[in-house]
Amino acid sequence: EAQVTQNPRYLITVTGKKLTVTCSQNMNHEYMSWYRQDPGLGLRQIYYSMNVEVTDKGDVPEGYKVSRKEKRNFPLILESPSPNQTSLYFCASSEGGEQFFGPGTRLTVL
Amino acid sequence: GIQVEQSPPDLILQEGANSTLRCNFSDSVNNLQWFHQNPWGQLINLFYIPSGTKQNGRLSATTVATERYSLLYISSSQTTDSGVYFCAVWYVGNQFYFGTGTSLTVIP
Repeated sequence: EAQVTQNPRYLITVTGKKLTVTCSQNMNHEYMSWYRQDPGLGLRQIYYSMNVEVTDKGDVPEGYKVSRKEKRNFPLILESPSPNQTSLYFCASSEGGEQFFGPGTRLTVL
Repeated sequence: GIQVEQSPPDLILQEGANSTLRCNFSDSVNNLQWFHQNPWGQLINLFYIPSGTKQNGRLSATTVATERYSLLYISSSQTTDSGVYFCAVWYVGNQFYFGTGTSLTVIP
């Protein structure tokens, strides 16, 4: 089944404790991206990657890191999470401009 | 960046009613998608529609790229249609931008 997977689905952590949210797709898509969704602000793109070893900042990259060492994986790294990064996070992969989303990760930073 | 605005922001319908949701964008785009975010938070692909008209069951969509808008039609609405509907565009620089969303509530 073609899909985008994310882990964990839910995470509660404390300020400053490094964390990684994994994202994997099995559709051989070159384009992958991360979004955060906040009430009243909609979905905003954090980072995106056009291909392996190529990443670019989206609209809200501050406080996040990404890497793309393999085509199928695109992890999101929060080196020192803060409460303002509490949000719902989505990973997506895309082919020809059509996006497919993962199930989301609900992150709470205390 | 590009501005993507949706209307109406909120919509309450009686089951069985029809509705039209609108997505306006401020510049030319490479493509456009419609999504439904269900009450559990999942984003479900509805249409990939850079231009023209597509239909899928009770839902259809039309994009007029030259006039920078897209419409999503929902006919004979059901309670399972409730949720938030987003349009998203692929813009220059290979970034995606989401609209502000329309929150739909269908009442039995």
